[in-house]
This record gives sequence, C-alpha cells and structure tokens, in this order.
Amino acid sequence: SAVISQKPSRDICQRGTSLTIQCQVDSQVTMMFWYRQQPGQSLTLIATANQGSEATYESGFVIDKFPISRPNLTFSTLTVSNMSPEDSSIYLCSVGVLREGQGTSLAGELFFGEGSRLTVL
Amino acid sequence: AQSVTQLGSHVSVSEGALVLLRCNYSSSVPPYLFWYVQYPNQGLQLLLKYTSAATLVKGINGFEAEFKKSETSFHLTKPSAHMSDAAEYFCAVRKATGANSKLTFGKGITLSVRP
Repeated sequence: SAVISQKPSRDICQRGTSLTIQCQVDSQVTMMFWYRQQPGQSLTLIATANQGSEATYESGFVIDKFPISRPNLTFSTLTVSNMSPEDSSIYLCSVGVLREGQGTSLAGELFFGEGSRLTVL
Repeated sequence: AQSVTQLGSHVSVSEGALVLLRCNYSSSVPPYLFWYVQYPNQGLQLLLKYTSAATLVKGINGFEAEFKKSETSFHLTKPSAHMSDAAEYFCAVRKATGANSKLTFGKGITLSVRP
C-alpha cells in the first residue's frame, strides 16, 4: 500500500483568501487524484494530477479556482483560490497503481490520505 | 459512464446483528467494484474489492461482499456487527485497471450500531 501525507490536516480561512494543500506519497506513483467531500456528501473528483503535464479537470471544476501542481512522482499540491464558505469541505488526495517495479499489482484501487478539512468563514 | 447507487442514507443495527449495506452499479463494461469505510475525522480505508476473480470477496474486519452480475449488485455484509463498525461506507466503481481510470463513488451510507 501507499502512505499518503496531507498538509494541513485542517484549517480555518477567511473569505477571499487562498490555501494550498500538499500531498506527499512515500513511493513513486503514476497518477494522483484530488477529491472534494462536502459536508455530509460523497466524494467528487476534482482533477487528475499528471506528472509533467497539466492536470485534467472534471466537469464543474476549473484551473483558475483549483490550480494543481505535480512537480514529481511523489508530490502534488491543490490550491483553493479566492475561497468562499461554499468551499468548506474535506479535500482528499489519492493515488493509483504504483509504477512498475514498485510492488505487486494493486488491481485498480486507490489509496487515500487523511484529508484536509477546510472551513471558510 | 459507470455509476453506483446506494439506497438509503442511514442503517442502524444492534450489536451482534447482521449488517447489510446495499450497492447497485451501472457500467457499460465489466467493472471493478470497491467498498471503502470512513471513520469519523479520518480518510478512506479500503475494505474490499472485486476484480473479476471470485464473486464472493472477503475483506478486512469480517466484511464480505458478493458480486452478482444478474442483479448488478455488490452488497456488503457482516454476520455480526460490532460497535467499532459505526462509520460511513462508500461503494465505488472503476471502469478499468489503468492508473488513470476514474473511481466513482456512491453517496455513502452511515452505519450506526446500537448496544
């Protein structure tokens, strides 16, 4: 399995500010995904973070609001820009299959970080 | 596109009773199916997965799920509930095993366990 660390684990932010969430994985991974979990809701995929190219965003999410960086195979950041109270959510980083040679096949499951709990006032 | 449906938002059982959490999927191709659990203030943990091998899948903490293609279902069961099973449970579907294949979640079911 992969060990995923997210920072910050929680934060309280003011409206109009931006926050960058970091995701660090203990091994090289092909794909990293960013999910949002709004209060009492399920998980919604924001984007897929591709190493060496721009992130791929899902419908309803745009790069200006949620810029993503993926500088290497073990790290990614998600920024929530110009925050409003509607952005109050848990943001989760997840990773897919390890790169070849890194271990046994994981048959498609994703591993998740503990999440970053964001409250916007 | 693939999707999963979890009927109901809350299930309450007595300690020691059978746990049954329902999940139905929709997919144009044979799916990979997963159950995840989320304990309060924690991230998601994989309970079990179906990957086209055995249709009855055993997971952690005594949970198991059976893939029934004819019913397009992947219900999660546990013979005897424990207080520590109280959590949010998510069913998820993935179309392919590629690392860039999306995982689509159901809306989740909250399991409560009564003493």
